[in-house]
Amino acid sequence: QSALTQPPSASGSPGQSVTISCTGTSSDVGGYNHVSWYQQHPGKAPKLMIYEVSKRPSGVPDRFSGSKSGNTASLTVSGLQAEDEADYYCSSYAGSLHWVFGGGTKVTVL
Amino acid sequence: EVQLVESGGGLVQPGGSLRLSCAASGFTFSSYWMNWVRQAPGKGLEWVASIKEDGSEKYCVDSVKGRFTISRDNAKNSLYLQMNSLRAEDTAVYYCARDSNWAFYSWGQGNLVTVSS
Repeated sequence: QSALTQPPSASGSPGQSVTISCTGTSSDVGGYNHVSWYQQHPGKAPKLMIYEVSKRPSGVPDRFSGSKSGNTASLTVSGLQAEDEADYYCSSYAGSLHWVFGGGTKVTVL
Repeated sequence: EVQLVESGGGLVQPGGSLRLSCAASGFTFSSYWMNWVRQAPGKGLEWVASIKEDGSEKYCVDSVKGRFTISRDNAKNSLYLQMNSLRAEDTAVYYCARDSNWAFYSWGQGNLVTVSS
């Protein structure tokens, strides 16, 4: 399986919104609603932010939202805050009990 | 509170072996699929292997097939990754992660494995 495609970087000013795309194929992102997003601060373990395309785990602010259209999933962070500056990774189920991640997007809060 | 604590990493020579462990607490370990995910230095995340609740099904990425084996001991609330024939490209931080809702729901702090002569 090939990695999902994410832009290497994204940025926005505090209070603005930023959207990160995650492009796969009909064998992964397009074929299943098992897309998840992870936030990772430097030197820390990843943290689940979105699962099943658009659901938020308990404790994740509603500023984080997810969606999917065809083979592309998206994560939107609204009302950007300084603590949102991190790397973000998408992941998708790819069939046959295999999983694939995106290459990661570094979000900078200007 | 869910806790996952990895151990067993370190420096190993190419061709060598290492066994990672992950001690789980704060949840019913035997009720969840478990996974290993790795991250090479400065790189992105890569799914490595998954194991069913009772250990009856195991899956892994092609690049480690035949070299790595995932296993678990539900009596000890522990997950393992036996890594043989290690290569330089296996150098990474290895995370154990609990599966839930088709996502890697909870993560350990990670354990560094360095393959170098």
